[in-house]
Amino acid sequence: DAGVTQSPTHLIKTRGQQVTLRCSPKSGHDTVSWYQQALGQGPQFIFQYYEEEERQRGNFPDRFSGHQFPNYSSELNVNALLLGDSALYLCASSLGRGKLFFGSGTQLSVL
Amino acid sequence: QQPVQSPQAVILREGEDAVINCSSSKALYSVHWYRQKHGEAPVFLMILLKGGEQKGHDKISASFNEKKQQSSLYLTASQLSYSGTYFCGTAVNNDMRFGAGTRLTVKP
Repeated sequence: DAGVTQSPTHLIKTRGQQVTLRCSPKSGHDTVSWYQQALGQGPQFIFQYYEEEERQRGNFPDRFSGHQFPNYSSELNVNALLLGDSALYLCASSLGRGKLFFGSGTQLSVL
Repeated sequence: QQPVQSPQAVILREGEDAVINCSSSKALYSVHWYRQKHGEAPVFLMILLKGGEQKGHDKISASFNEKKQQSSLYLTASQLSYSGTYFCGTAVNNDMRFGAGTRLTVKP
């Protein structure tokens, strides 16, 4: 049984560009949450998707948007990249409010 | 609102004990504990759902005091494999918010 998979693992972009990160949840999970983790910090909640809708959102600007597909996979889009967007982006899946299973993350570097 | 963890960092010798605390300014319905090793994704340790509940996993246990809006993680007779950063997570609505983490280093 595959766990949570994220792609790509690493990404380098320049300021102003746009990026799309992808996540496939653990089999049987219906909820996908996205987190941003800066070096040495805890994961910061971006948003959560359930039944193809954004159910909850953290304190992130509208430049951060997402989508969930009928097969529960999800995408995170970030527009107009800033240097401060450089971080590890983690996707976590769960069944309802159960424990979170994290993917290995996408390391985004903005130059 | 993010939970607050203390201490920020702990250094132990093998066999020593440690306590990591997590507190919230909001009413808690559950507390999760995760461990993240360097360069890896966070891994679930345990979830506490009821006030006053205690749980254990090997020599790692936790308590949850709903009234005080606090949880503590207890690591006894620490092993080298316990090294990593420990995060508590609290869910007020449907989302999980994490503390800044406690970096635990266990030395031989």
